[in-house]
Amino acid sequence: AQSVTQLDSQVPVFEEAPVELRCNYSSSVSVYLFWYVQYPNQGLQLLLKYLSGSTLVKGINGFEAEFNKSQTSFHLRKPSVHISDTAEYFCAVSAPGGSQGNLIFGKGTKLSVKP
Amino acid sequence: EPEVTQTPSHQVTQMGQEVILRCVPISNHLYFYWYRQILGQKVEFLVSFYNNEISEKSEIFDDQFSVERPDGSNFTLKIRSTKLEDSAMYFCASSALGGMDTQYFGPGTRLTVL
Repeated sequence: AQSVTQLDSQVPVFEEAPVELRCNYSSSVSVYLFWYVQYPNQGLQLLLKYLSGSTLVKGINGFEAEFNKSQTSFHLRKPSVHISDTAEYFCAVSAPGGSQGNLIFGKGTKLSVKP
Repeated sequence: EPEVTQTPSHQVTQMGQEVILRCVPISNHLYFYWYRQILGQKVEFLVSFYNNEISEKSEIFDDQFSVERPDGSNFTLKIRSTKLEDSAMYFCASSALGGMDTQYFGPGTRLTVL
């Protein structure tokens, strides 16, 4: 069975500062990895995903994440955040091979960008 | 841009009552999902649905839950006899191809059971 841990429930940061949101997973099989963002009163929106290949994945809105198999991590980063990045961010995994793609989520990290 | 829609946005019900949560997936998508998030907890998978039948379900999805695609556009989640612990945000999602394909989520329905 897979599980996802997001170590930080809340991350406050000033505008234009860099940010890293941490995600670790556990799985006995290879997985696909995802980051979703949820803006207030909206659904979850895919930021980026790692399926295979290059471990550095670039997503929308200037975000990127790096898959590290040895550390079972998939941390999300942005070099310079904007006020509009204030949202909740969810890391998720799914197991390939027979699965319909059911996502297993972490508890989420609330990013708060202050001016 | 096509999007998944859900109605109602907020549903309040009495314990023991039946509720139906409605979703309209993206029109050419074939795979449908329900997830829920109890306040302060993880988003949890409930059920996936493909070709008019359940593909997978979690242990949360017991006999009190059912899903249906009644008319080719709507995808519903029914809870027959709600419990207090069913209070949560329920998200519908759809994808074109299943598997690794991107799931598009609706805005959610907040269910409050009193």
